[in-house]
Amino acid sequence: GAGVSQSPRYKVAKRGQDVALRCDPISGHVSLFWYQQALGQGPEFLTYFQNEAQLDKSGLPSDRFFAERPEGSVSTLKIQRTQQEDSAVYLCASSLVPDSPYEQYFGPGTRLTVT
Amino acid sequence: LAKTTQPISMDSYEGQEVNITCSHNNIATNDYITWYQQFPSQGPRFIIQGYKTKVTNEVASLFIPADRKSSTLSLPRVSLSDTAVYYCLVMQKTGFQKLVFGTGTRLLVSP
Repeated sequence: GAGVSQSPRYKVAKRGQDVALRCDPISGHVSLFWYQQALGQGPEFLTYFQNEAQLDKSGLPSDRFFAERPEGSVSTLKIQRTQQEDSAVYLCASSLVPDSPYEQYFGPGTRLTVT
Repeated sequence: LAKTTQPISMDSYEGQEVNITCSHNNIATNDYITWYQQFPSQGPRFIIQGYKTKVTNEVASLFIPADRKSSTLSLPRVSLSDTAVYYCLVMQKTGFQKLVFGTGTRLLVSP
């Protein structure tokens, strides 16, 4: 079946531009996570949704980062006024039920390069 | 959350068994040990989870000694396609929690 999809796969932005990254989770999956992965590092948690509710945004690095999931399915991660340190791969993951934290299915990621 | 330590990289040849050890000295009683695999340009993928002794599935085996302060991921007869980064995580089995990845172990399998 279809997995988690993300778009675009690659994004180049000039410093100061706003970007929007999209995540389509597996159909019916309640939980949705965003992670940021810098080059050579493991993914780092950004934020978590259960349906449309954003229950944890403790990992968002600054108020320039904003995520939403208005209808409990597709999610968008928005980064305003991008900086070079925002360059990373942004991974989205979904899971069917909140109580199985390890059963997170990851998308391929969006590689963001800020020039 | 328990901190994990694993080798930065490992090299192997096709057909060999590869063992990657992870130490987690501060593991809590209700923590499980979980391993993820990440190929280039892909997100991580769950491969195995265990609490104690030995767990085996179609991909790997996981060995956990009685004190649970370390664990070993064993990949039998690796192939080129096993080249990836392997992450060891310590986490509770249920309930919301974010996955905490370290830097992982980069395994390179050569012909």
